Amino acid sequence: DIVMTQSPDSLAVSLGERATINCKSSLSVLYSSNNRNYLCWYQQKPGQPPKLLISWASARESGVPERFSGSGSGTDFTLTISSLQAEDVAVYYCQQYYDSFRTFGQGTKVEIK
Amino acid sequence: QVQLQESGPGLVKPSETLSLTCTVSGDSFSSYYWIWIRQPPGKALEWIGQIYYTGSTIYNPFLKSRVTISVDRPNKQLSLKLNSLTAADTAVYYCARQKLGENTPIDCWGQGTLVTVSS
Repeated sequence: DIVMTQSPDSLAVSLGERATINCKSSLSVLYSSNNRNYLCWYQQKPGQPPKLLISWASARESGVPERFSGSGSGTDFTLTISSLQAEDVAVYYCQQYYDSFRTFGQGTKVEIK
Repeated sequence: QVQLQESGPGLVKPSETLSLTCTVSGDSFSSYYWIWIRQPPGKALEWIGQIYYTGSTIYNPFLKSRVTISVDRPNKQLSLKLNSLTAADTAVYYCARQKLGENTPIDCWGQGTLVTVSS
């Protein structure tokens, strides 16, 4: 199975500042035949199901604010919130969908400093 | 717009079998992969398995011996059975749908149902 490891486990950022979350996969999730990374990011607020933010490592879903961006390739990925807003307080998960056994990172909790 | 609603018992005894149902409304059931995921309180998401609308399944290898996922296409439902329960199976159980395609992310989730395993 592909192990997904996120860092840090939690971070506190001031309003308007940048938040950066890293995700590392134990195997590459880049499919060479189409040059796509099978990696996505979810946001989960308390008491709610996760919400898909980014697919294919960097494709923002419809309606997701532009302050959210994804980058990376192969085994190393980053989710960046360029200017943290109060409503961004949540736990963020990366997930690979390269392997038929899908796996998630352990989550990163983002709070306001 | 698709909606997913999980239903089932909130409390199950150790060693028994959990049975959950997810009812899909508002959109097509066919052509999609349907997923069960769980989340123990305060912990991370765990993928349990998936089923194509035709009935073909893939399971989490760590749960495979205890899990069965099935579909009822006429009623637009999917079900989850998990046997030999222990306290470690206490979690919020979500049903979800992948985007169209075999290897795609999940774009739609139910609200989840909390299942507690306790005597």
